[in-house]
Amino acid sequence: DAGVTQSPTHLIKTRGQQVTLRCSPKSGHDTVSWYQQALGQGPQFIFQYYEEEERQRGNFPDRFSGHQFPNYSSELNVNALLLGDSALYLCASSLPLGHDTGELFFGEGSRLTVL
Amino acid sequence: AQKVTQAQTEISVVEKEDVTLDCVYETRDTTYYLFWYKQPPSGELVFLIRRNSFDEQNEISGRYSWNFQKSTSSFNFTITASQVVDSAVYFCALSGRPGGGADGLTFGKGTHLIIQP
Repeated sequence: DAGVTQSPTHLIKTRGQQVTLRCSPKSGHDTVSWYQQALGQGPQFIFQYYEEEERQRGNFPDRFSGHQFPNYSSELNVNALLLGDSALYLCASSLPLGHDTGELFFGEGSRLTVL
Repeated sequence: AQKVTQAQTEISVVEKEDVTLDCVYETRDTTYYLFWYKQPPSGELVFLIRRNSFDEQNEISGRYSWNFQKSTSSFNFTITASQVVDSAVYFCALSGRPGGGADGLTFGKGTHLIIQP
């Protein structure tokens, strides 16, 4: 049973460019959340997707957007990249509402470097 | 607003020593959930425990134990007889909903635990 998978694992972009990160949730999970983890910091909540809609957003600008597909996989898009967007981007999936055990399953992340 | 403070940035102990990681939280919610996650060098966060605000019983799982004290807003984590494999960054987190819900988890900055052989 595959866990949460993310791609790419590493990527380098320059300021002003756009990036798309991808996530496949654990089998049986329908909810996907995205977190940004800067070096030496704890993860920060970006947003969560459920039933192909953004349910809630953390304190991130509109340059950060996402999408969830019918198969529950998800994409995180960041436009007009800034140096400060350099971070590990983590995807987490969880069980459907009503079956939520409180455990989030995380992928290994996509390490984004903005030059 | 919710806040989690892990004052210990890094802890280094020798194998087999006991070690306690501190976590202090702030929330206005009357019902809330506390978590501990482990982050090994590979990057993925591994769930260790979730605790409800209305259940102050301490919990033990093998060499791991957790002490939840509402009076001091603390949720500390102790590893007994530490092993090299315990080396990782440990995060304490807080949420108003069981799985983080739509608002996500609020994480502390983490404590880097180094277990020396």
